[in-house]
Amino acid sequence: AQRVTQPEKLLSVFKGAPVELKCNYSYSGSPELFWYVQYSRQRLQLLLRHISRESIKGFTADLNKGETSFHLKKPFAQEEDSAMYYCALRSGTPLVFGKGTRLSVIA
Amino acid sequence: DTGVSQNPRHKITKRGQNVTFRCDPISEHNRLYWYRQTLGQGPEFLTYFQNEAQLEKSRLLSDRFSAERPKGSFSTLEIQRTEQGDSAMYLCASSSWTATGEAFFGQGTRLTVV
Repeated sequence: AQRVTQPEKLLSVFKGAPVELKCNYSYSGSPELFWYVQYSRQRLQLLLRHISRESIKGFTADLNKGETSFHLKKPFAQEEDSAMYYCALRSGTPLVFGKGTRLSVIA
Repeated sequence: DTGVSQNPRHKITKRGQNVTFRCDPISEHNRLYWYRQTLGQGPEFLTYFQNEAQLEKSRLLSDRFSAERPKGSFSTLEIQRTEQGDSAMYLCASSSWTATGEAFFGQGTRLTVV
């Protein structure tokens, strides 16, 4: 079965500190991995996907198939990064989401 | 706003009543998805359509739930004989037909069953 695990419900960091939001998945094939973000009072939106290999808003994520992980990283957190972050997996069509991590960046 | 639109935004209903939600996807998106999100959980897949065909249903979609997309454009999700456990945010998303098509989400309909 496909499963996405985000072990931290809440992550608090100080502004300017590095951020790492953890995501592990279970799937035997080659899935697509995504990070979605939901800012306060806004809709869920795509932040980045592993196949793009790009940096969005300073965030990057590397797919590690050996460790079945897709951790989201940013070297210097900003206050505007405070939001809910969801890791998601897709193999076939529907996305499978983790439970999310709330990132709180403290000034 | 050319994004995914959901109506109503909020719905309060008494237990046992039927409710219907509507989703208008981004035009030209042929795939439409329904998800449910409860407190402390990520979105959970319910069902998806490609054009008017309902191609997949989750085990979460009990027989009290029915979804339609009659003309391959907007979709409705109906819950019959609502229960308190149905209280949740119901999210709709749409994407293009390509395998890598990004899913765009609506703002959701929050259902409260009292």
